[in-house]
Amino acid sequence: RKEVEQDPGPFNVPEGATVAFNCTYSNSASQSFFWYRQDCRKEPKLLMSVYSSGNEDGRFTAQLNRASQYISLLIRDSKLSDSATYLCVVNGMRFGAGTRLTVKP
Amino acid sequence: DTGVSQDPRHKITKRGQNVTFRCDPISEHNRLYWYRQTLGQGPEFLTYFQNEAQLEKSRLLSDRFSAERPKGSFSTLEIQRTEQGDSAMYLCASSLGGAGGLWNEQFFGPGTRLTVL
Repeated sequence: RKEVEQDPGPFNVPEGATVAFNCTYSNSASQSFFWYRQDCRKEPKLLMSVYSSGNEDGRFTAQLNRASQYISLLIRDSKLSDSATYLCVVNGMRFGAGTRLTVKP
Repeated sequence: DTGVSQDPRHKITKRGQNVTFRCDPISEHNRLYWYRQTLGQGPEFLTYFQNEAQLEKSRLLSDRFSAERPKGSFSTLEIQRTEQGDSAMYLCASSLGGAGGLWNEQFFGPGTRLTVL
């Protein structure tokens, strides 16, 4: 089993849609969780950290479920500019394979 | 520009040659990471340093790969006797160290794209 696994995608959604990604992790002792965004042929950049109580940043909501060992990312009111690959990261260095999102007009 | 820089940006080499990549982290960051990324995959962890100490190295990393971070500043990643399977994007990132086993945001460089012919 991989340390971090993500929804395989790709996700193709219309503008304005709500889309959710999940990511599971195998190490129950994990303490730090992040979502990064990676545009085509660019380096990953932090989208948001994931806190135990869940956190929101504008249209983006991240949640952590320690009991089931997964994190999630919810994007509301999708924009064309949200098209990218979304990477979940556990304990700083364990990246998932990424989920590709394409938002269409 | 005070971000993470990597050099070279592109490297084409023949199988069997040695290559060395350099990474200059954000100056106040004490942690430095190396990753390898291939098309359609997330970054694969290779190794990381806290200051000049190499604290973890991936079990997937063969002994042809070596990394150094002398004086806790810039880092080099060397691949000896390159193979076609080494073709990938090599990413470097840096961060501040976290307290109590926590990890902070990593800032990535633009990467070095290696092509082994």
